[in-house]
Amino acid sequence: SAVISQKPSRDICQRGTSLTIQCQVDSQVTMMFWYRQQPGQSLTLIATANQGSEATYESGFVIDKFPISRPNLTFSTLTVSNMSPEDSSIYLCSVERQGGYEQYFGPGTRLTVT
Amino acid sequence: AQSVAQPEDQVNVAEGNPLTVKCTYSVSGNPYLFWYVQYPNRGLQFLLKYITGDNLVKGSYGFEAEFNKSQTSFHLKKPSALVSDSALYFCAVYRMDTGRRALTFGSGTRLQVQP
Repeated sequence: SAVISQKPSRDICQRGTSLTIQCQVDSQVTMMFWYRQQPGQSLTLIATANQGSEATYESGFVIDKFPISRPNLTFSTLTVSNMSPEDSSIYLCSVERQGGYEQYFGPGTRLTVT
Repeated sequence: AQSVAQPEDQVNVAEGNPLTVKCTYSVSGNPYLFWYVQYPNRGLQFLLKYITGDNLVKGSYGFEAEFNKSQTSFHLKKPSALVSDSALYFCAVYRMDTGRRALTFGSGTRLQVQP
């Protein structure tokens, strides 16, 4: 398995501002993912971030709202831009184990937008 | 499209009794199926997976799951439930669209184990 850390663990932000969430992995991985989860509910994939290429966004998510960086094989950031209360959620990053298909998740970032 | 369904929002079971958390899938081709658990205020933890081979797969914390192709099911089971098993459980299927690889999650089932 991989050890994944996220910063910040939680934040309270004002509407109209932006927050950048960091995801750090203890080993090199090709594929990283960003999900959103309302507390107690299912996960929704935002985008897939591979090193050296543009992130691939799911339907309903756009780069202007959720820009992603993937500068190397152990790190990624997700920015939530121009936030509104509807962006209040838990944001999780994950990595796929090479050849194993299963994903390992970070502890999440709990975002509240006021 | 690949999808999974968890028909029960909540499952209640007494400690020491066997537990089953249900999952059915809808995929084209061979399914790659997973179970995850989420304890309160914590991230998701991988429990087990079915890729190919034996229909009964064993995972962490004494959990197992049975892949049933004819019933398109992948139910999670444990012979004897513990209070500490109380958590939110997610079934997931691996999606391999052209150029995209990701997990699609079910809606989740909350397991409550009563002492």
